[in-house]
Formats: sequence, C-alpha cells, structure tokens
Amino acid sequence: DSGVTQTPKHLITATGQRVTLRCSPRSGDLSVYWYQQSLDQGLQFLIQYYNGEERAKGNILERFSAQQFPDLHSELNLSSLELGDSALYFCASSVGVGGPGANVLTFGAGSRLTVL
Amino acid sequence: GDSVTQMEGPVTLSEEAFLTINCTYTATGYPSLFWYVQYPGEGLQLLLKATKADDKGSNKGFEATYRKETTSFHLEKGSVQVSDSAVYFCALIAVQGAQKLVFGQGTRLTINP
Repeated sequence: DSGVTQTPKHLITATGQRVTLRCSPRSGDLSVYWYQQSLDQGLQFLIQYYNGEERAKGNILERFSAQQFPDLHSELNLSSLELGDSALYFCASSVGVGGPGANVLTFGAGSRLTVL
Repeated sequence: GDSVTQMEGPVTLSEEAFLTINCTYTATGYPSLFWYVQYPGEGLQLLLKATKADDKGSNKGFEATYRKETTSFHLEKGSVQVSDSAVYFCALIAVQGAQKLVFGQGTRLTINP
C-alpha cells in the first residue's frame, strides 16, 4: 500500500456520460498530480494541485476538470466521455514544491475507466 | 519541450542475465532523473533517482548513473530475477518550471526462469 488511495478501481460507463475519480494523497503530502495512462499515448500528465491551488496543467482536455479540496483529497471529473477516454487514471502525491522530497511522487494503484 | 526516450520493448531475458534499458532525455537546465517500475495490476513505484550529474541511483540491485554529457540515465542490473518482470519507466522533472514528471514510453521486461 503506497498510502495514496484511489476510488473506484474499475469503472465502466457509456459514451456521453460523466464520471468522477477520487484520490486521497499520502498523509502529509500537499501536492496531488493526475496522470492518464493509455496504450497509444503512454503516461500523460494532466494536472497538478498544491494545497488546494492549481499548480501546473498538462495535456488535460477541456471536458476534464479537477480540484483539490481543503482536506487535500482531489477529484478528477471527466465529462462527455468518448471511447478514447478509456484508460488508467493515476493519482500521485508529493510533499510539495521545493525541498528534497518535493520531486518524489508516490502513485496510487489507479482507476481503470472503460467507456463503451 | 522536455522529453524522455526509452529503448523499445518488450525485452525478454533469462534469469540471471545482465539487464540494460537505455534512456536518454532532452531538457533545459539540470533535471532530476528517475526510474519507476510498474508491476502487473499495480501503480508506479519509485525505483531509484539521481538529482545531479554523475550521481548514481541504486535500489534492489538496479543502478543508473546521471550522464549529462550523453544526456542519458540507463538502467542496469547484473543478474535479473523472475520477480523483476514489470514495466520500467524513465522520467525527469525539470528543475525550473512546472514540477511535473515527464515519462518515457515504458519498457516491458519479462524474465523467464
């Protein structure tokens, strides 16, 4: 157990639907990252939050959004789902920005999304 | 932009063989370099890291040396085991700018007994 908890582990839904993926970071970590892993695109960085604020944005589609709550858990919302959104979505956390532990990310086990 | 290139997989070896997985990077400045491993059905785990030139990261018999002159961070292990079968990802974080991990495509390693 890495200490990063993601739910649900598996999710099957239909095109056009909306889903929410949830992530609880490791205790003490202030930064949360979302990554998408698909067969054709590899691991793609989506977005990073630090202590509730958006810190960096990657290849995140406009149909996707995320937020980090005061208790530091984060949610990734995926809407108007398409077949191509089927992927493993990983959450990771780190201590924060700056300092020796800032660059070490701890990953959750992932949420596998299947869009039919 | 920053990028990481790994050797194409899959790689299949016999137990106790020597392993090398090549990784080269493109980045401005002096990035931190990482190897992550993903076992079947699990998330990524940090295997080792190096934060400056000539640093050697090591863990579980794996080693990688940060070579700035060749912009490389090749992963090596002297004698692999069946339990090393996994997907290995080379990654970097740029020192400046957004602190996001940029991953290579991953290399699937299978070790046969």
